[in-house]
Amino acid sequence: DAGVTQSPTHLIKTRGQQVTLRCSPKSGHDTVSWYQQALGQGPQFIFQYYEEEERQRGNFPDRFSGHQFPNYSSELNVNALLLGDSALYLCASSLVGSRDTQYFGPGTRLTVL
Amino acid sequence: AQSVTQLDSHVSVSEGTPVLLRCNYSSSYSPSLFWYVQHPNKGLQLLLKYTSAATLVKGINGFEAEFKKSETSFHLTKPSAHMSDAAEYFCVVSQGGSQGNLIFGKGTKLSVKP
Repeated sequence: DAGVTQSPTHLIKTRGQQVTLRCSPKSGHDTVSWYQQALGQGPQFIFQYYEEEERQRGNFPDRFSGHQFPNYSSELNVNALLLGDSALYLCASSLVGSRDTQYFGPGTRLTVL
Repeated sequence: AQSVTQLDSHVSVSEGTPVLLRCNYSSSYSPSLFWYVQHPNKGLQLLLKYTSAATLVKGINGFEAEFKKSETSFHLTKPSAHMSDAAEYFCVVSQGGSQGNLIFGKGTKLSVKP
């Protein structure tokens, strides 16, 4: 049973650039959530996608956007990168009937220089 | 507003001794509560979930947690620590199945001494 996968594993960007992170949900799951985990902190909710639409959003600026594809995979895009965007970005998948029971991928470590 | 407070940022135990990681929550609704574990440079693994079926919840790897509404607590325990339990543990709250945003505590780092 394939779990949640994310790519790439690591990424280094410079301030002002744009980045795209990718996530494939656990087999059978239809809902994808994204979280940002700064060093030494707990993850913070960015947004959640279901049926290719953003359903919930946390307290993140519009520079953070996403997309969900018909096969339920998802992308997280961040524009105009800031140093403070350096973090571990985690993707989690779940079923629509139990959206809060989430299974996490290994994350993408983003470093902004 | 919902929140969780993990009362200890760091807990150190000896191998074979009991583990207690403390968590208090605040919620206007009947919450769902979780514990997740994160090993170094790894993603988060779900240890256990409380809904409302039973106040004592058993999870993986011998962990369990007890929901106490009167104390607004959801402490995580394990009778005997193993070296492989060394990791970061997060207490998490949500408003329930229809709401997708999980709210994490700041984490408790568990160290296990030989």
